[in-house]
Amino acid sequence: AAGVIQSPRHLIKEKRETATLKCYPIPRHDTVYWYQQGPGQDPQFLISFYEKMQSDKGSIPDRFSAQQFSDYHSELNMSSLELGDSALYFCASSSTSGASTDTQYFGPGTRLTVL
Amino acid sequence: DQQVKQNSPSLSVQEGRISILNCDYTNSMFDYFLWYKKYPAEGPTFLISISSIKDKNEDGRFTVFLNKSAKHLSLHIVPSQPGDSAVYFCAASAHGSNSGYALNFGKGTSLLVTP
Repeated sequence: AAGVIQSPRHLIKEKRETATLKCYPIPRHDTVYWYQQGPGQDPQFLISFYEKMQSDKGSIPDRFSAQQFSDYHSELNMSSLELGDSALYFCASSSTSGASTDTQYFGPGTRLTVL
Repeated sequence: DQQVKQNSPSLSVQEGRISILNCDYTNSMFDYFLWYKKYPAEGPTFLISISSIKDKNEDGRFTVFLNKSAKHLSLHIVPSQPGDSAVYFCAASAHGSNSGYALNFGKGTSLLVTP
């Protein structure tokens, strides 16, 4: 079965640079979530989108923004990168209809390293 | 403020025995609970979920029990297999609240199943 796709899998950036992470949800899933997992930490919710509209906002820094496009893929844009932004970034998708409503399925993650 | 707590950072179990992973939560608005399994450098893999209207859900070797009055849930794996060795995250969400369906994670329990 198709899973959530994230790209790139690894990204190395310098401080103050920008980064764009991409997420392609499971087909027919209408909701996308972004999470950040620091070293030794649990995943922290950043932001979510339902039907291309922002549905919820968590601990996302003002330097970050995200959107969901007409094909339901989502991009997380990160600017003025700081050392503390080094983390694993997970995207998850879910469907508001069907047998597995609301269960979030995660992608493999993007490991961002800021030098 | 950690609303989902997994107080055992690690657990070691012999192959064939039962593994019991525990999780406590503080937010009484949580009404949907999930368990995820995670390997290093991979995304969380969904295992099993339970709605607050139930007290038990079973799927093969995995059973989740929910005690709402105690705000406690547990994941039972029986029989445990070496391939079950991974970090297990408990997660919870509150449907209908301002937080949408964002997942709140515990810090994880590292399970080691020895032959």
